[in-house]
Amino acid sequence: ETGVTQSPTHLIKTRGQQVTLRCSSQSGHNTVSWYQQALGQGPQFIFQYYREEENGRGNFPPRFSGLQFPNYSSELNVNALELDDSALYLCASSTRLAGAETQYFGPGTRLLVL
Amino acid sequence: QQPVQSPQAVILREGEDAVINCSSSKALYSVHWYRQKHGEAPVFLMILLKGGEQKGHEKISASFNEKKQQSSLYLTASQLSYSGTYFCGTEWVNYGGSQGNLIFGKGTKLSVKP
Repeated sequence: ETGVTQSPTHLIKTRGQQVTLRCSSQSGHNTVSWYQQALGQGPQFIFQYYREEENGRGNFPPRFSGLQFPNYSSELNVNALELDDSALYLCASSTRLAGAETQYFGPGTRLLVL
Repeated sequence: QQPVQSPQAVILREGEDAVINCSSSKALYSVHWYRQKHGEAPVFLMILLKGGEQKGHEKISASFNEKKQQSSLYLTASQLSYSGTYFCGTEWVNYGGSQGNLIFGKGTKLSVKP
């Protein structure tokens, strides 16, 4: 149990719709990273938020956007959904101490786009 | 520049040992190992920093070879609970520090049979 929660757990949308996924980070963590995991693949980095600012972005189009709130919880928004957006969306919270940061994953939101 | 994991899959009998490798084409700052069971989120196992020593707990350990930009995960006397897909996540060196997000390999599927 990591203390990272995500909602909803499952979601079905149709092509062209918009979706918002939510993540509550572990207590004491100020950084949230979002990943997309397609079936049989490793997690793909979407973006990271540190203290409410975007702190790095992977190779995803602008219709993937995010927010981080003062309590360090976060949202991932996806506009104009495409069939290929069907995947498990994971958020991971972390805090950078001396050296690298350990990222703890939430249970994920499984999105199906029809 | 996704790290390359090998082997892609391995089947063991309980009590047997396994080694999973993770290689990067870029200079590594850290390597993070995770295990993911079917339908669940990745669970953090351990982190290795450049310049750090081999780490481990109980029967799972890992090493980091900076010269080869490679990390290996060692599972000894495997148990049924070790079954799952193992991912390495890599942070690259960036201006003397790290780029701050993880790039994951495609995973190694480990099946432990009774």
